[in-house]
Amino acid sequence: GDSVTQMEGPVTLSEEAFLTINCTYTATGYPSLFWYVQYPGEGLQLLLKATKADDKGSNKGFEATYRKETTSFHLEKGSVQVSDSAVYFCALSINTNAGKSTFGDGTTLTVKP
Amino acid sequence: SAVISQKPSRDICQRGTSLTIQCQVDSQVTMMFWYRQQPGQSLTLIATANQGSEATYESGFVIDKFPISRPNLTFSTLTVSNMSPEDSSIYLCSVEVGQGLEQYFGPGTRLTVT
Repeated sequence: GDSVTQMEGPVTLSEEAFLTINCTYTATGYPSLFWYVQYPGEGLQLLLKATKADDKGSNKGFEATYRKETTSFHLEKGSVQVSDSAVYFCALSINTNAGKSTFGDGTTLTVKP
Repeated sequence: SAVISQKPSRDICQRGTSLTIQCQVDSQVTMMFWYRQQPGQSLTLIATANQGSEATYESGFVIDKFPISRPNLTFSTLTVSNMSPEDSSIYLCSVEVGQGLEQYFGPGTRLTVT
């Protein structure tokens, strides 16, 4: 079946540090890939997405590139802020799977001033 | 995109009782999803609710425990029945909008069962 594996957390960084959260996937079809963010006490919000190989999704300074050859979709940000502290989920969805998404376990990021 | 509200935002319930969670969307959507998120863990899909048909439950979840209603294209309810402390969790509803396959989530209902 489909699966998403994220790097284990938690991750603690100082403000302005470089962030990478690794994500790899296994899928039987051609998935779309997503990063969602969950701030404390809130639901998940879509952060960025990519729908085909070599696409780069970007939003709020975060980027991720769909790498089909390595089945990866790593999240990066060049300079994190305290306000980026949240839980980040990598996910995939395949249009033949009745709209259902498969989520990774989530990575908790804490950014210290 | 879609804006989703859930009620209640949180509740503390006694063992053996039931709680119904409401999910309201600001636009008409075909597919709605109900998830459970246990503390510090990822999301587990409970069921998919399409308007006009029975909900489709994932392995490990049954209709008697988690009955779902979907009376129209903007609203759904999830009931957690005969609750036990193991049901303490955050319950999230989400919708898929358009062809992009991304999902939009409600803020969640934090349930504590004592």
